[in-house]
Amino acid sequence: AQSVTQPDIHITVSEGASLELRCNYSYGATPYLFWYVQSPGQGLQLLLKYFSGDTLVQGIKGFEAEFKRSQSSFNLRKPSVHWSDAAEYFCAVGIPYNNAGNMLTFGGGTRLMVKP
Amino acid sequence: ETGVTQTPRHLVMGMTNKKSLKCEQHLGHNAMYWYKQSAKKPLELMFVYNFKEQTENNSVPSRFSPECPNSSHLFLHLHTLQPEDSALYLCASSPGQGDTQYFGPGTRLTVL
Repeated sequence: AQSVTQPDIHITVSEGASLELRCNYSYGATPYLFWYVQSPGQGLQLLLKYFSGDTLVQGIKGFEAEFKRSQSSFNLRKPSVHWSDAAEYFCAVGIPYNNAGNMLTFGGGTRLMVKP
Repeated sequence: ETGVTQTPRHLVMGMTNKKSLKCEQHLGHNAMYWYKQSAKKPLELMFVYNFKEQTENNSVPSRFSPECPNSSHLFLHLHTLQPEDSALYLCASSPGQGDTQYFGPGTRLTVL
């Protein structure tokens, strides 16, 4: 069975600093990979996804992520964090399922706090 | 049209009550999902519906009963819940295989 690990439960960065959130997965083949963001009391918003092709993917809000097959990782990065980026970030692995999208397995999440 | 909507946004219920959560998607998708998000656990998939047919029940207790009358609507009927069922319940939809899931804002459920 697939699994997703986000090693950092909490991260605090200063506004304007760079950010990297780690995600490691376990799956026998190349999975679909997603990063979602969740603000307090809200649902999940898709930041970016990797299905195939270029291993560096660009997302919304200035985020990017790089798929590294050799490390089974899909880390999320942003060069300069804004206060509005404070939220919880979830990495997910998607396995195609029947004809109905992906079966998503989520990591435990990383809560990002931004210092002024 | 706001993608995936969920009502109510907040619900407080007693252990003997019966209530329902509603999800509606305006995206023309064929698959819909229920997830449970508890404070100390990763997001858990509960149910999957594809073209109105249930294709996955992730060992969910029978006090949770899903219903999908058409591809745009998904319900979660609740009865005799336990306090540990208090959580954020998220609905999602996707176009089809290999596609992205889009989430609603969730219903915050509190069971007293």
